[in-house]
Amino acid sequence: DSGVTQTPKHLITATGQRVTLRCSPRSGDLSVYWYQQSLDQGLQFLIQYYNGEERAKGNILERFSAQQFPDLHSELNLSSLELGDSALYFCASSAEGTLGTPLHFGNGTRLTVT
Amino acid sequence: EDKVVQSPLSLVVHEGDTVTLNCSYEVTNFRSLLWYKQEKKAPTFLFMLTSSGIEKKSGRLSSILDKKELFSILNITATQTGDSAVYLCAVETLRGGSQGNLIFGKGTKLSVKP
Repeated sequence: DSGVTQTPKHLITATGQRVTLRCSPRSGDLSVYWYQQSLDQGLQFLIQYYNGEERAKGNILERFSAQQFPDLHSELNLSSLELGDSALYFCASSAEGTLGTPLHFGNGTRLTVT
Repeated sequence: EDKVVQSPLSLVVHEGDTVTLNCSYEVTNFRSLLWYKQEKKAPTFLFMLTSSGIEKKSGRLSSILDKKELFSILNITATQTGDSAVYLCAVETLRGGSQGNLIFGKGTKLSVKP
């Protein structure tokens, strides 16, 4: 158990809808990362937050947004969903968000868009 | 464009065999290379390598980095069915200041038959 908690485990929704994925980092970790994993693309970095502030953006679509709250949990919001957004979404956390600190991953949220 | 390439994409062996998984990379501002094991859910951290030629070892797993030739290998000796998983290689690059960016390969799917 990595100590990173993600909810829900599974989510099935229709195209055009909006969903929110939630992540609680490991105790003491200040940095939260969101990744998308699809079959053909592997793990793709979406966005990183550190202590409530956005630190880096990767391949995140404009329809997606995220935030990190004062208690350090994070939410990833996906809107105007398309079939291609179906994927496993992982949250990871690390102690400082800087180099040399391995990421610890949650079990992911499997999103299916029908 | 930064990229991480793993080979083979999949591998089937029998218990007791020794396997070698490969990871090559082309990135700017290399900082470290990490190996993760992904079974059904969260990737779990195995090794972080920063220096060439120094082997990291954990039980039957070992890994080494060659920064001149830009690759790493992950060895698993005396494989067991519990080693069946997708093994992910990731390279950490310096994004700016002290911030890192983690780029994943697509993984090697290892199946160990009894």
